Amino acid sequence: AQTVTQSQPEMSVQEAETVTLSCTYDTSENNYYLFWYKQPPSRQMILVIRQEAYKQQNATENRFSVNFQKAAKSFSLKISDSQLGDTAMYFCAFMGNAGGTSYGKLTFGQGTILTVHP
Amino acid sequence: SQTIHQWPATLVQPVGSPLSLECTVEGTSNPNLYWYRQAAGRGLQLLFYSVGIGQISSEVPQNLSASRPQDRQFILSSKKLLLSDSGFYLCAWSRRQGIIFNNEQFFGPGTRLTVL
Repeated sequence: AQTVTQSQPEMSVQEAETVTLSCTYDTSENNYYLFWYKQPPSRQMILVIRQEAYKQQNATENRFSVNFQKAAKSFSLKISDSQLGDTAMYFCAFMGNAGGTSYGKLTFGQGTILTVHP
Repeated sequence: SQTIHQWPATLVQPVGSPLSLECTVEGTSNPNLYWYRQAAGRGLQLLFYSVGIGQISSEVPQNLSASRPQDRQFILSSKKLLLSDSGFYLCAWSRRQGIIFNNEQFFGPGTRLTVL
């Protein structure tokens, strides 16, 4: 079974600065997908960024980028130019592809609460 | 465009009472559907998933059950609620492309359940 670990229960950052959230995972699969989801106080889950394990290039989405280290099974999220609206809980999630029979199931980490201070 | 609805948004129920939470998806067909529970504002735990009408898979043994009576409707039920059933319940859907399930999941707004 896959596991996802987020070792930082809480983080804080000043507005306009950069912050990195950590995530490690454990799997025996070679082909899989990793996600970062954001859950603001409204509790709506929002996809931030996605990475396919077979792609060596790190994914980027505007101010959000990842550092994907497949050998180390590490998948960190960097938020640049932090904004007050980035305040939320962030979840790292794993989706295996076990020959296409994983049924798209997600395994989530425990989350990191990020607070952006003005 | 696709949308996902959940109701009710908030529910307070006594221990031992029945439960029915509903999730519907609009704007797509033949989706994969999922029920998650989030306890104490922490990580999400997958409870059930469905790849078609009447097809339900359970991830963890528990006091809950799920049903999919229609293609875009997913229901979470219990005959007798326990205190430990309290939590935030999220429904999600994803597209299916043949046997490849590598698409993102889209989440509903959630239901906050309090069992007293």
